[in-house]
Amino acid sequence: DAGVIQSPRHEVTEMGQEVTLRCKPISGHDYLFWYRQTMMRGLELLIYFNNNVPIDDSGMPEDRFSAKMPNASFSTLKIQPSEPRDSAVYFCASSRTVPLSNQPQHFGDGTRLSIL
Amino acid sequence: DQQVKQNSPSLSVQEGRISILNCDYTNSMFDYFLWYKKYPAEGPTFLISISSIKDKNEDGRFTVFLNKSAKHLSLHIVPSQPGDSAVYFCAASAHEYGNKLVFGAGTILRVKS
Repeated sequence: DAGVIQSPRHEVTEMGQEVTLRCKPISGHDYLFWYRQTMMRGLELLIYFNNNVPIDDSGMPEDRFSAKMPNASFSTLKIQPSEPRDSAVYFCASSRTVPLSNQPQHFGDGTRLSIL
Repeated sequence: DQQVKQNSPSLSVQEGRISILNCDYTNSMFDYFLWYKKYPAEGPTFLISISSIKDKNEDGRFTVFLNKSAKHLSLHIVPSQPGDSAVYFCAASAHEYGNKLVFGAGTILRVKS
């Protein structure tokens, strides 16, 4: 089975530019999560969706960040305008709901974002 | 406020010996705990988990122990292998919080051959 697929793997762009990160969750998973990993803050949750609906975006740092999930197989995380402090590795993860059972999240390989 | 703490940034173990990675948490609402392994340039890979109704879960060479009264969990790897060298993250979630994962800072494990 294919895992969580993220694109691009690497992105280098100049500050002020719009950045779009993409994620395809595992088929059948109804939860999707976006994380950011930095040296200072470790792995932190930005936002998560359930059945394509945003449930909690309290981790989104600023209005410059937005995320969408137009369907069950695709999500985007956008940064506009981007700033050097947004440089980090961004991970997408997905999981499925099983009644009365906890299920782990499965991660993609991340997008390494560098804002110059 | 770090709710999940991994106080050892790194650990070095000889091949064949036991590796013990520790994790402490502060939020008593957490009811599900996980360990992830991460290699460079890859995403975290789920390793093993434990529900708060249990105190031990075993999967091959990996065993997770949970001490709820001490708010402490540990991951035991026996025997350790060079391929186990990676960053290990402890994570916790609570059903009341929508199963959001809170991660520790990670411990770098080096298994020497």
